[in-house]
Amino acid sequence: GENVEQHPSTLSVQEGDSAVIKCTYSDSASNYFPWYKQELGKGPQLIIDIRSNVGEKKDQRIAVTLNKTAKHFSLHITETQPEDSAVYFCAASKGDYGGSQGNLIFGKGTKLSVKP
Amino acid sequence: DAGVIQSPRHEVTEMGQEVTLRCKPISGHDYLFWYRQTMMRGLELLIYFNNNVPIDDSGMPEDRFSAKMPNASFSTLKIQPSEPRDSAVYFCASSLGLAGVDGELFFGEGSRLTVL
Repeated sequence: GENVEQHPSTLSVQEGDSAVIKCTYSDSASNYFPWYKQELGKGPQLIIDIRSNVGEKKDQRIAVTLNKTAKHFSLHITETQPEDSAVYFCAASKGDYGGSQGNLIFGKGTKLSVKP
Repeated sequence: DAGVIQSPRHEVTEMGQEVTLRCKPISGHDYLFWYRQTMMRGLELLIYFNNNVPIDDSGMPEDRFSAKMPNASFSTLKIQPSEPRDSAVYFCASSLGLAGVDGELFFGEGSRLTVL
């Protein structure tokens, strides 16, 4: 089955710097890659996603890139702010294949700390 | 809509006791998921339902765990008997579709279970 590896497990940056979180996946059939943000005491929340027919997607200060050949994708946060401090999860899925194959497999998370 | 509602938020129990966690999904969502989150294993999918029918329960750790969805607005996850290694945060999530196809997961705030 699919396996998603996420690095680093913890990341500390100064406010205003950029942060990059990287994930690799094992199943070349995976075609949908979302990122979730989990704030303390809350459930994860979708912040951005990308499909395998797209190499890059941007939404204000966050962007995600996908390299299908290498089977890795990354989250980029620019001009970080203290409110970006949270745990970020990447995930992979075979998407529209449906059934149990459509389930999301999550990475183990990256705890991002943005220091003022 | 109030989002996905879980109860209780915190549960402390003794080994051997029965634990019941409850979830109310977002109205109109056809899919309901139960996840378990621990430091060691991250977010693990336990079981998911489509239109109240269990589709994939391969993530349920053992027979001590059971889940039901008697109607579209209510689901339970039961552990009987509970063991200390069951201590974790249990999340319920719902979605319109599977990942990649209207599949954004909306998570509840979680139920933190401590088994002494």
